[in-house]
Amino acid sequence: EAQVTQNPRYLITVTGKKLTVTCSQNMNHEYMSWYRQDPGLGLRQIYYSMNVEVTDKGDVPEGYKVSRKEKRNFPLILESPSPNQTSLYFCASRTWGGGNEQFFGPGTRLTVL
Amino acid sequence: GESVGLHLPTLSVQEGDNSIINCAYSNSASDYFIWYKQESGKGPQFIIDIRSNMDKRQGQRVTVLLNKTVKHLSLQIAATQPGDSAVYFCAENTYSGGADGLTFGKGTHLIIQP
Repeated sequence: EAQVTQNPRYLITVTGKKLTVTCSQNMNHEYMSWYRQDPGLGLRQIYYSMNVEVTDKGDVPEGYKVSRKEKRNFPLILESPSPNQTSLYFCASRTWGGGNEQFFGPGTRLTVL
Repeated sequence: GESVGLHLPTLSVQEGDNSIINCAYSNSASDYFIWYKQESGKGPQFIIDIRSNMDKRQGQRVTVLLNKTVKHLSLQIAATQPGDSAVYFCAENTYSGGADGLTFGKGTHLIIQP
């Protein structure tokens, strides 16, 4: 089944404890991105990657890192999480010929205490 | 700054009726306008898009209308079904250097009454 998977789905952590949210897609998509979703603010892009070893900042990149060593994986790294990073995170991917159809993962709900 | 927004946060319709979800945008330079559907506990799902040089596009049970004069976008869902209950987001995309400049609106919650 074609899909985007994220792990973990739920995470409660404490301020300053480094964490990684993994994202993997099995559709051979070149383009991957991370979004956060907050009430009243909608979806905002954190980082995106147009291909392996190519990453760039989205609208809200502060406090986050990403890497794209393989085409299928695009992990989101929070080196020192803070409470304002409590949010619902979505990974998405699309192919270059896919127009505007991004495929989203199921989401990761992160709580930073 | 540029933004994409929605007129109503919640829309309640009777099952079988047609639904119209509205969206206002401010960036007249956007290349595409897109509608996504998000069901509870799931990620957004692409519904339909429309290029900025078009004014109407139809899909299966859905129609998107674009009025560039008043910067208004709408999604019409025909014969609304219980499975249509979700939050609907409009988004705009401005391609620059091959990268997406996707900006989402805040969402409208569509509730289907039996």
